[in-house]
Amino acid sequence: EIVLTQSPATLSLSPGERATLSCRASQSVSSSLAWYQQKPGQAPRLLIYDASSRATGIPARFSGSGSGTDFTLTISSLEPEDFAVYYCQHLSSWPFTFGQGTRLDIK
Amino acid sequence: QVQLVQSGAEVKKPGASVKISCESFGYSFADYAIHWLRQAPGQRLEWMGWINTGNGNPKYSQKFQGRLTFTRDTSAATAYMELSSLRSEDAAVYYCARDYPFRANCFDPWGQGTLVTVSS
Repeated sequence: EIVLTQSPATLSLSPGERATLSCRASQSVSSSLAWYQQKPGQAPRLLIYDASSRATGIPARFSGSGSGTDFTLTISSLEPEDFAVYYCQHLSSWPFTFGQGTRLDIK
Repeated sequence: QVQLVQSGAEVKKPGASVKISCESFGYSFADYAIHWLRQAPGQRLEWMGWINTGNGNPKYSQKFQGRLTFTRDTSAATAYMELSSLRSEDAAVYYCARDYPFRANCFDPWGQGTLVTVSS
């Protein structure tokens, strides 16, 4: 089973700032990685798939990069609605696993 | 509008079974797989498996082999997840999610979640 480790656990930033979230896989997943956003009391929402492709309707301020074992989700300029928990998920083989999440808080 | 609507919260005793439904709207049900996931309090999301809604074939995460059953009713555009022999560590919010059209094995949209409480 592939283990995904996200860092940092919590990130405190202000609206307008740039956010950089990391996800590291225990073995190579090529580009088979997705990112999700989850707000309190809501289901997750797909943001990025295949490491860098934005899902339908996702604003351009969200971008993903990386391959192999190291991946990054970048939010170029934080909007108030972006403060949430973010999860990475690998797509490369069963079972699909998730990282433990990064909480993005308002500073 | 593509939407998945799950059945309501459940309270079960240890050893019992729970069955959750996931009704699909706004697309052709049999064209996309449905995945089942769960999220226990303070834990990461956990993928449980998926069902091919076209032919009904399920795939279960090995962790749940023998306790988990996925079924579907194409006439009702509904998928079902049944988990048996419940224990306290099965308490979680359970989600269904559709395969994303442009990339299999990522999930969008998700149902609203069903809270399962396991308590004697």
